[in-house]
Amino acid sequence: EPEVTQTPSHQVTQMGQEVILRCVPISNHLYFYWYRQILGQKVEFLVSFYNNEISEKSEIFDDQFSVERPDGSNFTLKIRSTKLEDSAMYFCASRAGTSGADTQYFGPGTRLTVL
Amino acid sequence: AQSVTQLDSQVPVFEEAPVELRCNYSSSVSVYLFWYVQYPNQGLQLLLKYLSGSTLVKGINGFEAEFNKSQTSFHLRKPSVHISDTAEYFCALPLARNSGNTPLVFGKGTRLSVIA
Repeated sequence: EPEVTQTPSHQVTQMGQEVILRCVPISNHLYFYWYRQILGQKVEFLVSFYNNEISEKSEIFDDQFSVERPDGSNFTLKIRSTKLEDSAMYFCASRAGTSGADTQYFGPGTRLTVL
Repeated sequence: AQSVTQLDSQVPVFEEAPVELRCNYSSSVSVYLFWYVQYPNQGLQLLLKYLSGSTLVKGINGFEAEFNKSQTSFHLRKPSVHISDTAEYFCALPLARNSGNTPLVFGKGTRLSVIA
């Protein structure tokens, strides 16, 4: 069964450093998402992406964040200058269809630890 | 605004006992509702979803959920749990029902711990 994959599974970085989290969505899916979950808190939406551009973003997704689909298969989330409060589990998701009824498929997550 | 509340952060239950994980939602329009499960060190996996029609929805691994519009609830149940059901369970709904690229709004999650 096709699945969403994410690398790395765990990333440790120093505050102020740039990190890139990588995702490979399911191959025939068109809609891509990043979510994050700070330890003990809700899973929160960051950004959605369709047709090579951002569709929607939350207030969390500020100028420090960017997304890219560089080569037609990978979908990346970049944090330019990490802060302690960026420490969280980051989930990538993808979806085939255009309706809210369609299932979003999630990757296993990348745990980001900012020291 | 759409929102989801999971009333229990942790639910311990003995093996082979029944379990109910509670989810309440807030929405000004008709909704779709989802339950996801996250096993240790894995991603979120869809358990079941309610779109329309029958209010009792059956999912994978013997789980089912009942949509109750008057109580704005979508509680998840299993009549007899196994050790392997130990996981985090998330209730969610789309931010916009008919939007082409709508994100999901999640509850805080309920950690189900099955005790041998």
